[in-house]
Amino acid sequence: DSGVTQTPKHLITATGQRVTLRCSPRSGDLSVYWYQQSLDQGLQFLIQYYNGEERAKGNILERFSAQQFPDLHSELNLSSLELGDSALYFCASSVGRQGRGYTFGSGTRLTVV
Amino acid sequence: DQQVKQNSPSLSVQEGRISILNCDYTNSMFDYFLWYKKYPAEGPTFLISISSIKDKNEDGRFTVFLNKSAKHLSLHIVPSQPGDSAVYFCAASGNSGGSNYKLTFGKGTLLTVNP
Repeated sequence: DSGVTQTPKHLITATGQRVTLRCSPRSGDLSVYWYQQSLDQGLQFLIQYYNGEERAKGNILERFSAQQFPDLHSELNLSSLELGDSALYFCASSVGRQGRGYTFGSGTRLTVV
Repeated sequence: DQQVKQNSPSLSVQEGRISILNCDYTNSMFDYFLWYKKYPAEGPTFLISISSIKDKNEDGRFTVFLNKSAKHLSLHIVPSQPGDSAVYFCAASGNSGGSNYKLTFGKGTLLTVNP
């Protein structure tokens, strides 16, 4: 157990639907990062939050949004889902804003049918 | 634009031999490099890192070498063990215009260590 909890582990949904992925960071970590891993792709950075504030944005689609709550857990919202959104979504956390090293969760596998 | 490249999608070695995984980067602002290991159905786990002020860092069977002039790093595993079979991701970070040292990952190399 890495200390980073992601729920759900698996999600199957239809095109056009909206889903929410949840992440609880490791105790004491203030930064949360979201990554997407598609087939044959590396880990693509989506977005970073630090202590409730958005810090950096990567290749995140406009249909996707995220937030970090006062208790530091984070949610990634994916809407108007397309088949191509099927992927593994990882959350990672680190102590500071500087992600010298992350602790990853075990991921959420999203399948859009 | 792939700023961190792992050009070998897979590598197969015999148990007891050396495994060498390679990584190239293009962004000269990167100043910290990491290797992560990932087993199926698990998240990546940190393995070893190196700062740009060094050219070598060693931790047990794992050694990372950094060649800044060539923008190249490599991970050596000696001796390789079947339990090392996993996907290895190279990652890099640097000041991206703020204090947002996000990690940029390569696509990974699947290492298979045969008994």
